[in-house]
Amino acid sequence: QSALTQPASVSGSPGQSITISCTGTSSDVGSYNLVSWYQQHPGKAPKLMIYEVSKRPSGVSNRFSGSKSGNTASLTISGLQAEDEADYYCCSYAGSSTFEVVFGGGTKLTVL
Amino acid sequence: QLQLQESGPGLVKPSETLSLTCTVSGGSISSSSYYWGWIRQPPGKGLEWIGSIYYSGSTYYNPSLKSRVTISVDTSKNQFSLKLSSVTAADTAVYYCARHTLLGLELDVWGQGTTVTVSS
Repeated sequence: QSALTQPASVSGSPGQSITISCTGTSSDVGSYNLVSWYQQHPGKAPKLMIYEVSKRPSGVSNRFSGSKSGNTASLTISGLQAEDEADYYCCSYAGSSTFEVVFGGGTKLTVL
Repeated sequence: QLQLQESGPGLVKPSETLSLTCTVSGGSISSSSYYWGWIRQPPGKGLEWIGSIYYSGSTYYNPSLKSRVTISVDTSKNQFSLKLSSVTAADTAVYYCARHTLLGLELDVWGQGTTVTVSS
């Protein structure tokens, strides 16, 4: 089980859009539409932002969207706001014969 | 509203066993719609899935930790627990408990986390 690959950092100005990639393999991201994304502010627990690749939980802004192509999932944040500055983690189901979950290494989003 | 709360010692000696409990309130741990999981985050690093359990007692572990991890559930107390044996400084982390949905497996409710330091 290897961690999913995310860029260490991304940045954008208020109002702009950014995309964070999450690259896995044909054994995890590529095989299942079970990718989720989490936002984590310093000292806080992670918060679910996207599940099943592109679904948004109730209460999450529609500025957050998710997609997947092949072995790579993506999180897009449009209309960047200062409060979006946080760490973002992707997560995928990775168990072909048993329940197994793998996280990405995390991406630090800086709003300039 | 469902809440999860981790509890346990904040300091564990090297080679000993780390033990944490997650208490679920505002809902039943016996729901057939969810798994219950443990995730950790070393200082300044990313999230790592440790393992998960179903209310029936079925357990699933991270292969890299499997030899040292035991997760159990106590439905009468609405709690589930984590034991990690033979700890080293590398096991120092914030430990979170969380709920997985059965269908999408996303972690939709998290505890606030508890810091465990491994040191003599």
